[in-house]
Amino acid sequence: QSVLTQPPSASGTPGQRVTISCSGSSSNIGGNYVYWYQQLPGTAPQLLIFRNNQRPSGVPDRFSGSKSGTSASLAISGLRSEDEADYYCAVWDDSLSGPVFGGGTKLTVL
Amino acid sequence: QVQLVESGGGLVKPGGSLRLSCAASGFTFSDYYMSWIRQAPGKGLEWVSSISSSGSSIYYADSVKGRFTISRDNAKNSLYLQMNSLRAEDTAVYYCVRGPDTAVADFRYWGQGTLVTVSS
Repeated sequence: QSVLTQPPSASGTPGQRVTISCSGSSSNIGGNYVYWYQQLPGTAPQLLIFRNNQRPSGVPDRFSGSKSGTSASLAISGLRSEDEADYYCAVWDDSLSGPVFGGGTKLTVL
Repeated sequence: QVQLVESGGGLVKPGGSLRLSCAASGFTFSDYYMSWIRQAPGKGLEWVSSISSSGSSIYYADSVKGRFTISRDNAKNSLYLQMNSLRAEDTAVYYCVRGPDTAVADFRYWGQGTLVTVSS
């Protein structure tokens, strides 16, 4: 069981907006930056969102992140078939003194 | 461009040992923390260990503490993971990752991973 809770799956049709949640606690999300990673099938994860809501260069602005209290969300607007992937939230945990990942959400584009 | 290339994975029996290596290029290796992150087949990501830029500070997940040893050779731009007393639950793809530089979960660069299978 992961310290961070994500829904195991999400889906949407092309063009739709989908959100993926990540729930934690005061020792992780409540006091630290949230990061999001995208893992396309058969590849290594890549950074999608850093410091709650910042996008690395090259990441489309269709992807956005937000954080409120001990929860965070990743939103994908204008859904495209190439967005079909696993998405992970991650954050430093002060109690564990290390980074923790959510269990991952498999996004299916119908 | 940043490149991280892992090697050393393979099939090992329970209780056995394996040493993973990661060759880094495209950046000043000695300036950065480095980490190992693993992913069991069909499962999520799990942080394993991190080492500071000089090697003086080392951190482990509880699941591997006392069995795994992370190290680095800045002269060779290389990161290592010595894995002893391997268990079936250590079966995973092991990724070499640059970072995090502080108490954050910022892992910007990943290798392609090397598969470790622990089975009799």
